[in-house]
Amino acid sequence: DQQVKQNSPSLSVQEGRISILNCDYTNSMFDYFLWYKKYPAEGPTFLISISSIKDKNEDGRFTVFLNKSAKHLSLHIVPSQPGDSAVYFCAAQLSNTGNQFYFGTGTSLTVIP
Amino acid sequence: DVKVTQSSRYLVKRTGEKVFLECVQDMDHENMFWYRQDPGLGLRLIYFSYDVKMKEKGDIPEGYSVSREKKERFSLILESASTNQTSMYLCASSSTGPAGPYEQYFGPGTRLTVT
Repeated sequence: DQQVKQNSPSLSVQEGRISILNCDYTNSMFDYFLWYKKYPAEGPTFLISISSIKDKNEDGRFTVFLNKSAKHLSLHIVPSQPGDSAVYFCAAQLSNTGNQFYFGTGTSLTVIP
Repeated sequence: DVKVTQSSRYLVKRTGEKVFLECVQDMDHENMFWYRQDPGLGLRLIYFSYDVKMKEKGDIPEGYSVSREKKERFSLILESASTNQTSMYLCASSSTGPAGPYEQYFGPGTRLTVT
């Protein structure tokens, strides 16, 4: 059973606008969340993370928001750039049970110039 | 800078062949992982290892085995390749410590085609 879900397989956004990628999870014990970015024919690269003790983490153009009561997190990219076009995966972890991550199915973002 | 390398970028094998995929990391990470990525299914964990000679099953271990004889190397073995094992295989590694959790670092992937 998929514990981490990304319900939008794809998203298209105009350059300069905001991209919002969403992720839902089912296990309320998850305490660490990450976003990865993946270009075709490359491995995923770490983008940004957030601990469950926070509700927001910002790094440049990227901000992750966590809503624990809704079991929902989102990644905001502002402003979006064509180089942001990639597949984005969210992942969640139960840090006290080891280092296993549970990944979502991914959202393919296309930023239109 | 963490580097995770995989032995092949592209591989074509025949049904029934034994296939070895190798992964090497250079950051002395304790943890290593093998995933497969398929369209619409995301990254699914096949096996992982917390230490040399230790292995744990992930979500989809059937048809696969692993070997970790040295800390830096983690091998995925397809005992008898089948067409439904055609996929992108991704290796990852991560550290463990009191300041964790730590993100996973991924290799470039191996695109395996079984004909």
